[in-house]
Amino acid sequence: DIQMTQSPPSLSASVGDRVTITCQASQDISTYLNWYQQKPGKVPKLLIYDASNLETGVPSRFSGSGSGTDFTFTISSLQPEDFATYYCQQYGSLWSFGQGTKVEIK
Amino acid sequence: ELQLLESGGGLVQPGGSLRLSCAASGFIFSSCAMSWVRQSPGKGLQWVSSISGSGANRWYADSVKGRFTISRDNSKHTLYLQMNFLRTEDTAIYFCAKMSALNGAFESWGQGTMVTVSS
Repeated sequence: DIQMTQSPPSLSASVGDRVTITCQASQDISTYLNWYQQKPGKVPKLLIYDASNLETGVPSRFSGSGSGTDFTFTISSLQPEDFATYYCQQYGSLWSFGQGTKVEIK
Repeated sequence: ELQLLESGGGLVQPGGSLRLSCAASGFIFSSCAMSWVRQSPGKGLQWVSSISGSGANRWYADSVKGRFTISRDNSKHTLYLQMNFLRTEDTAIYFCAKMSALNGAFESWGQGTMVTVSS
């Protein structure tokens, strides 16, 4: 099974800050990596697919990069509606999620 | 409009069984792989099982293999998850998800159904 290690587990940031979350796979998954946003009481929403492709309708302040085992998710300028939990998810072999990163208001 | 509506959750004792359903509409159901993903209270997302559009291929997480069975009835546009030998650690919200045709993303989600395993 492929394990996904996401960090940090949580972070505090202010509106306008640049936020970066990392995700490491236990083995090479090429670019088979997706990113989701989940707000409290809501279902997850796909933001980025195949490591760096923005899902339709997702604001351009969200971006992703990486390949192989190391991936990065960035919010270039944090907005009030971005406070949520973010998950990476691999599909290089079956499917699995990272543990999540909760982005809180500083 | 695409809709996924789960049902069948509830309270069950350890060792018991439950069958979840997911009624799909708004897309060509038989063409789409589908999955179950769960989330324990206050915890992260965990992939449970997936099934191809035809139903010929099925995949399971190790934690549920041998206990859970995924199936689908394309004539009824419905996805199922038969859960046997339930454990307390299976307590979670179970989401039905439509898979992307282009990549392994869970691109649309139902609202989920709560399963509580407790004596």
